Amino acid sequence: DAKTTQPPSMDCAEGRAANLPCNHSTISGNEYVYWYRQIHSQGPQYIIHGLKNNETNEMASLIITEDRKSSTLILPHATLRDTAVYYCIGTNFGNEKLTFGTGTRLTIIP
Amino acid sequence: DGGITQSPKYLFRKEGQNVTLSCEQNLNHDAMYWYRQDPGQGLRLIYYSQIVNDFQKGDIAEGYSVSREKKESFPLTVTSAQKNPTAFYLCASSPRRMNTEAFFGQGTRLTVV
Repeated sequence: DAKTTQPPSMDCAEGRAANLPCNHSTISGNEYVYWYRQIHSQGPQYIIHGLKNNETNEMASLIITEDRKSSTLILPHATLRDTAVYYCIGTNFGNEKLTFGTGTRLTIIP
Repeated sequence: DGGITQSPKYLFRKEGQNVTLSCEQNLNHDAMYWYRQDPGQGLRLIYYSQIVNDFQKGDIAEGYSVSREKKESFPLTVTSAQKNPTAFYLCASSPRRMNTEAFFGQGTRLTVV
């Protein structure tokens, strides 16, 4: 798995877009960038993933730089329920460990 | 419903006792993983298995043991050798192919007194 670096914490006002950055400079060509989030005392929940192109689903958008060394998860209209720890990982679910870092603790402020 | 189930949700044990945490999935996934999470910390990988009858140590395997006799089951035993067993334990599973995702159970909170 690629090593990822995320800021430990971020705040965002309710209703605004939350932009969470992730550096993954060691990601290999066949590894996807994945984002998960964990609400307190629950199992992590899948959000979105991508390889090269930007991706969007009903939860979020994922912007991956052209060199694939970093990405940004965008929650377009943050709500209080988006308060969670967000994890960015790089993997291809092959014969690899699936390792998570410490993530970013996102707090949505009313 | 397809999913991954961990049981029990809360578990209490006396110090010095071994305890086994259950993880079952009906998603037909080849790979399964166990993580430990301490308060305010990230997920640390204990063991993982890519195929039946095979498993590998993760980053913090000492004091833990696993088995993978069936594709759908990956139990974790916390032995008396684990110095600080009180933690939140998470199990996950995934297919072994690209462009897919891992699914997590809801976790077991183990308290050793």
